[in-house]
This record gives sequence, structure tokens and C-alpha cells, in this order.
Amino acid sequence: EVQLQQSGPEVGRPGSSVKISCKASGYTFTDYVMNWVKQSPGQGLEWIGWIDPEYGSTDYAEKFKKKATLTADTSSNTAYIQLSSLTSEDTATYFCAKTGPEGFDYWGQGVMVTVSS
Amino acid sequence: DVQMTQSPSYLAASPGESVSISCKASKSINTYLAWYQEKPGKTNKLLIYSGSTLQSGTPSRFSGSGSGTDFTLTIRSLEPEDFAVYYCQQHNEYPLTFGSGTKLEIK
Repeated sequence: EVQLQQSGPEVGRPGSSVKISCKASGYTFTDYVMNWVKQSPGQGLEWIGWIDPEYGSTDYAEKFKKKATLTADTSSNTAYIQLSSLTSEDTATYFCAKTGPEGFDYWGQGVMVTVSS
Repeated sequence: DVQMTQSPSYLAASPGESVSISCKASKSINTYLAWYQEKPGKTNKLLIYSGSTLQSGTPSRFSGSGSGTDFTLTIRSLEPEDFAVYYCQQHNEYPLTFGSGTKLEIK
């Protein structure tokens, strides 16, 4: 059974960074691109970017290029997103989502990030 | 970026009824459209991809149609578990973009 288990809620101070994890199981981690998606409170979904765990290659939506850094550890089948220079605009839930043949066929449960002083 | 306009944003219906949700792309995306279901306490679920192909496990009462810029998700004979939020997403080009969502509530 494919599962994407994300880490727990995070609170970050303005200007700081947070790093969220997404541990994959039930499939070959390096065979599929992992995506990250943002959902601001009461809002819809925004695609942040993807990482190819096998090669470490990444692609980002323009607005997240200076905000998010995607990495992956193939030894632990875990993908990460680091969010830097936090502002109130970064308060949101962040999801990892595995790319299937088409679309995102499995999602993590989401991690709430709260930016607060 | 491809803008995805989803409507309605809110829909109230009764179990047994049929409903349709529209998703319009700002440019042609061929048939590269997916539909997702969001429910509290559950992970998001891929329902349909490539406009009309049901993901494994999606009940047959769900159907998708359209190509180019206009797409529709139809749910026939609503079941209680279908009341949720639905999103469309284009996967024709990067950046991938989503519709703003449709909340389907019980009337």
C-alpha cells in the first residue's frame, strides 16, 4: 500500500526557516517524481514544484523559486521541503503528492505551518 | 500560466441527485485534466485523469468529459460519501495549476 507520511505541524518565527518531511512507502521511491502543494487557509491549491528523487533534479513554480527548496534522501525514501524567510503569507498547509502516470495519485496528509512571533 | 476557472464554487444537492462541476482552462490543455476529491480527515484522492479516465477505485457514478478548454465532472446518484470539495488540475504544462474548488454540500 502506497503511503506518504508527513511530519508534524510546525511553528516558525518570521524570517526563520522550517523543513517538512514526507516519507514514502509501498513503492519504489526513485521511480516517481514527488510534488509539493500549498493550501493557504480557506483557499485552494497551489503547486510549488517537483523533485525527481533519483537524480535530485527539481522544478519550481516561479513564485516559489526563492521560497522553497526541495530535496530527497533515497536512503530513507524521504522527500523534504524547506521554506525560508518565513512571512505570514507562508502560513498554510503543505502537501506532498506522488506523480502517477498522470495526475497526483497519492497525497500526504498535509502539514500545517504557522508563522508567528 | 494556465488559469483554471472552476464553477460553481458551492453546490448543494440531495443524495440520489446528479450534479455537474465545470472547469475552464485559459488555453487549450488537450485532455490533460485531473479531478480530485478533498474530505476532512482523509488524504486527497485522484478521481479522474486525462479528462475522462477513472482512477482505479473511483466509483462508476463519477464521470469526466471535455477537451481543449472546457471540462465537466459529473456525479450521478450522489451517495453520502460524495459530499466533499472537488478540484480540477491541468497537467498539460508547468506550472501545474488548480481550479479554486467546488464545495458540494448536502441540501
